[in-house]
Amino acid sequence: GDSVTQMEGPVTLSEEAFLTINCTYTATGYPSLFWYVQYPGEGLQLLLKATKADDKGSNKGFEATYRKETTSFHLEKGSVQVSDSAVYFCALSARGATNKLIFGTGTLLAVQP
Amino acid sequence: EAQVTQNPRYLITVTGKKLTVTCSQNMNHEYMSWYRQDPGLGLRQIYYSMNVEVTDKGDVPEGYKVSRKEKRNFPLILESPSPNQTSLYFCASSLLRTGTYNTGELFFGEGSRLTVL
Repeated sequence: GDSVTQMEGPVTLSEEAFLTINCTYTATGYPSLFWYVQYPGEGLQLLLKATKADDKGSNKGFEATYRKETTSFHLEKGSVQVSDSAVYFCALSARGATNKLIFGTGTLLAVQP
Repeated sequence: EAQVTQNPRYLITVTGKKLTVTCSQNMNHEYMSWYRQDPGLGLRQIYYSMNVEVTDKGDVPEGYKVSRKEKRNFPLILESPSPNQTSLYFCASSLLRTGTYNTGELFFGEGSRLTVL
């Protein structure tokens, strides 16, 4: 079945460091791909998305490119801030399916001043 | 303000005592869903609904019930809670996915942390 694998955390970085959180997926067809972010004590909110191969999703300085050849959707940010500390979830939504999202296990990011 | 509202946010209960977690959305979304979040397992879907009076099981439906009598509400019912249902629960809603350009982006509530003793 469809699945998402993302790197284990926690990831601890200093402010202004470069961030990469790896995400790979297994799915039939061409799913839509998402990154959701969960700040402490809050629900998940959409960070960015991509709906087809080579699309780049971007928001708040974060970027991710839909790579069909490597079935990946890695999240990157050039310079993290303390306020970026949160749990990041990679997810997919299979084409032709209902609105169900399949989530990875989440990666905790801690940014230190 | 567009939102998904869950209540209660925190609840401690005992084994076997029926409880309901309410969920309401004000975005006129057809699709609603419940997820549970557990450490190391991410989010897993419990039940979903594609419209009023239409519900179906997700990946982990055992021990839960839902109903969809109105479009805006989708309560989660635990008839006889057990300790393995201790978890963080999220309700989510979205427009119903109908084509290539509607990705079914989900809007989440703030979560309900349930502890069953």
